[in-house]
Amino acid sequence: AQKITQTQPGMFVQEKEAVTLDCTYDTSDPSYGLFWYKQPSSGEMIFLIYQGSYDQQNATEGRYSLNFQKARKSANLVISASQLGDSAMYFCAMRGDMRFGAGTRLTVKP
Amino acid sequence: AAGVIQSPRHLIKEKRETATLKCYPIPRHDTVYWYQQGPGQDPQFLISFYEKMQSDKGSIPDRFSAQQFSDYHSELNMSSLELGDSALYFCASSSRTMNTEAFFGQGTRLTVV
Repeated sequence: AQKITQTQPGMFVQEKEAVTLDCTYDTSDPSYGLFWYKQPSSGEMIFLIYQGSYDQQNATEGRYSLNFQKARKSANLVISASQLGDSAMYFCAMRGDMRFGAGTRLTVKP
Repeated sequence: AAGVIQSPRHLIKEKRETATLKCYPIPRHDTVYWYQQGPGQDPQFLISFYEKMQSDKGSIPDRFSAQQFSDYHSELNMSSLELGDSALYFCASSSRTMNTEAFFGQGTRLTVV
């Protein structure tokens, strides 16, 4: 069975600073992938970034990047140059069964 | 580009009534997922379908059932509604063969009164 763990219920970051949101996972599949989604207060789920287990490099999408450490089974999301609009819930999920972690509420302070 | 369509967007039902939520996945996506998200909670996986067959089952109550039809749209049927069923219900679709991420619909907000 696959399992996703997000241990930070809430995080605060100053505008323009970088922040790292943690996600650890457990799976017995040799091939897997991890997604990060953003859910603003309006409720929609927005795909941010994907990391495949066999990808040679850490994924990057604009201000989002993944700090993927396969041996530690972690896929932490790094948001650089935080903006007020980044305030939202952030969820990590694993490809396949698409179970979500508990999420992290990020608040960007002006 | 076409997105995942969910209907209705909002639904109010009384206790013990039934509700049917509909989901229209992105064309050529072969997998549909259903989630329930209570206020302030993370999305709980309910059930998924791959090529119209149930592929995985999560914390879906026995009062709920779901199916995927020949045109790939899916319906979540909820009976004997309880106050605790009030939540945001998401549908998502992906293409397993094309290895895409899951795209989410806007959700259906169900309120049971």
